[in-house]
Amino acid sequence: AQSVAQPEDQVNVAEGNPLTVKCTYSVSGNPYLFWYVQYPNRGLQFLLKYITGDNLVKGSYGFEAEFNKSQTSFHLKKPSALVSDSALYFCAVRDMANDKIIFGKGTRLHILP
Amino acid sequence: DGGITQSPKYLFRKEGQNVTLSCEQNLNHDAMYWYRQDPGQGLRLIYYSQIVNDFQKGDIAEGYSVSREKKESFPLTVTSAQKNPTAFYLCASSTFRDTEAFFGQGTRLTVV
Repeated sequence: AQSVAQPEDQVNVAEGNPLTVKCTYSVSGNPYLFWYVQYPNRGLQFLLKYITGDNLVKGSYGFEAEFNKSQTSFHLKKPSALVSDSALYFCAVRDMANDKIIFGKGTRLHILP
Repeated sequence: DGGITQSPKYLFRKEGQNVTLSCEQNLNHDAMYWYRQDPGQGLRLIYYSQIVNDFQKGDIAEGYSVSREKKESFPLTVTSAQKNPTAFYLCASSTFRDTEAFFGQGTRLTVV
């Protein structure tokens, strides 16, 4: 069965520093991977996706993610964090066998001024 | 404007009552999904539908029911059999498999 793991419940980063939010996955076949962000009491907003092609994917708000097939990882990154990046981040994988979209438990990102 | 609309935003229910959450999309998406969100547990899939008049159980379908009579609509009923229904419910839709899902703004259900 497909699964997604986000090993960190919370990540704290000083404003201006680079940030990384980790995600590992388990799939059969080629992975379709996504990152979303959620602000309090709101729905999820799409940030970026990996389907095929370059391992470094660029997305919204200056975020990017690095796909690593050998390590089955899809970590979210940003070169310089902003206080407004503070939110809950979800990694997701699409199960191609049945069209389910499976989410990790989320990582709360705190950017400290 | 294209989008996915959930209503109501807040819902209060007495124990033992059924309640229906609305989800409508005008994006012409084939697939629709219902998720439940609890603190520290991420999003858990309740039901999903790939086409009209067909739907599949997700990981936590017990105590919930859905229908998909129209492409645009995928209502979720929380029945009295759901033992702990207080949660934030999110609806989503998508097209092809290599595209992202779009989410509604959620419905917060509280049992009083």
